[in-house]
Amino acid sequence: EDKVVQSPLSLVVHEGDTVTLNCSYEVTNFRSLLWYKQEKKAPTFLFMLTSSGIEKKSGRLSSILDKKELFSILNITATQTGDSAVYLCAVRSGGGADGLTFGKGTHLIIQP
Amino acid sequence: GAGVSQTPSNKVTEKGKYVELRCDPISGHTALYWYRQSLGQGPEFLIYFQGTGAADDSGLPNDRFFAVRPEGSVSTLKIQRTERGDSAVYLCASSVQENSYNEQFFGPGTRLTVL
Repeated sequence: EDKVVQSPLSLVVHEGDTVTLNCSYEVTNFRSLLWYKQEKKAPTFLFMLTSSGIEKKSGRLSSILDKKELFSILNITATQTGDSAVYLCAVRSGGGADGLTFGKGTHLIIQP
Repeated sequence: GAGVSQTPSNKVTEKGKYVELRCDPISGHTALYWYRQSLGQGPEFLIYFQGTGAADDSGLPNDRFFAVRPEGSVSTLKIQRTERGDSAVYLCASSVQENSYNEQFFGPGTRLTVL
């Protein structure tokens, strides 16, 4: 059974801090790892990672995948209150089910 | 263009009743997914459609749950004899086509409360 574990489950920091969110996984026939941001309802897509060691970047957010050690990190620099959300990590495997397997998420709170 | 839409946004029902939840995917997206998200958890995969057919329904918890997509666009998730444990947010997502390298775009979800 595919498994995704995120840590920490919750994190409170001050505006301007840098945060690192972790995601480890165990899947059969890994295809891709995705990060989503969920504020109120719909998760919104951030990154998809398929290759090890290649950093994806979008503004203050960046992410990287390590397929040998089976984990990914999501970095947010110079955090703002608008970054407060639940950050979800998901993996897609070729093991038959084409849906994503999600972790529980990291609940990030940025205090002014 | 318009994103994934879901109706209703909230549904309150009594134990034992039947409910239908609707999903309108992004126009042109052939792959459609249903997930269920309980409080404090990540979304949990239920069923996936490629076109009109259910390509994988391995995530449906039991035979009270059923989903259809008769014309390959709008999908309806149907829950019979609802139980309190069915209370959750039901999310729908779509992607351009079934491909492990396409991201899924999520709708706002339907919050189902079974009293």
